[in-house]
Amino acid sequence: QSGLTQPPSVSGAPGQRVTISCTGSSSNIGAGYDVHWYQQLPGIAPKLLIYGNGNRPSGVPDRFSGSNSGTSASLAITGLQPEDEADYYCQSYDSSLSGSVFGGGTKLTVL
Amino acid sequence: QVQLQESGPGLVKPSQTLSLTCTVSGDSISSGSYYWSWIRQPAGKGLEWIGRIYTSGSTNYSPSLKSRVTVSLDTFKNQFSLRLTSVTAADTAVYYCARGSGWPYSFDVWGQGTMVTVSS
Repeated sequence: QSGLTQPPSVSGAPGQRVTISCTGSSSNIGAGYDVHWYQQLPGIAPKLLIYGNGNRPSGVPDRFSGSNSGTSASLAITGLQPEDEADYYCQSYDSSLSGSVFGGGTKLTVL
Repeated sequence: QVQLQESGPGLVKPSQTLSLTCTVSGDSISSGSYYWSWIRQPAGKGLEWIGRIYTSGSTNYSPSLKSRVTVSLDTFKNQFSLRLTSVTAADTAVYYCARGSGWPYSFDVWGQGTMVTVSS
C-alpha cells in the first residue's frame, strides 16, 4: 500500500526552527495532489494545521508553514514553543488507492 | 459550527461486526460537498484512513480494508456510519469520524474519537 514517509521524531529548543519532511511518490504528492498537515496533542483528536500545501485555517499561528516540491512536502515551525510538543501527520490523496493516505507521524520534542 | 460525535460499542468480540455511528450537528449532512470519513488509530501508532462517503452517496475504501468495510449515510438522522466485519484484535483502535473538505480533501472537522477494543 502506498504511503507517506515521515521521520519518527524531531526536536528543537524553544525559539528555534524545525522542519518535518513528508516523502511521497508519483501517485500522491508527485502527482500534484495537495498535502495537508495535522497536529495531535496527547489523547486528543488531530487538528488541521495546514491545508492545500501552505494554507492555515483560522486561528493557526503563522509560525506554522507548509511547502512542497516534487514528491516531498515539509512543515516548518518557527519560534518553537513548549506547547508545540505534539505528533504531526501529513496527509494527501493517492490515485492508486483512490483515497487518502497519511504519513506515519512525527513526534516533536521541545527540549 | 459543525461538530461530530462518534457512538457505538466499546467492546466487540473477535469475528463479529464493529458498528459505529457519527452524528453531525450544526449543519445538514447533505448540504455542501463533503467527504464524510472514518479514520482509526491503534494505541501508540499513526492514523489510518478507513473510508469515506461523499455527499452524493458514493464511497471509497482503503484497499486493505475494502472487503470488510461499509460506510453509509442517513440524511434523515444527519448521521453516517461504519461497519467493519470479521474483526480481530488488529482492529482495536480509537476510531474517529471526520469531515473532508475541498479537493483533495483535508479533514477540517473531527469527532473526539471512540475507543473500540476487540476481545473475547
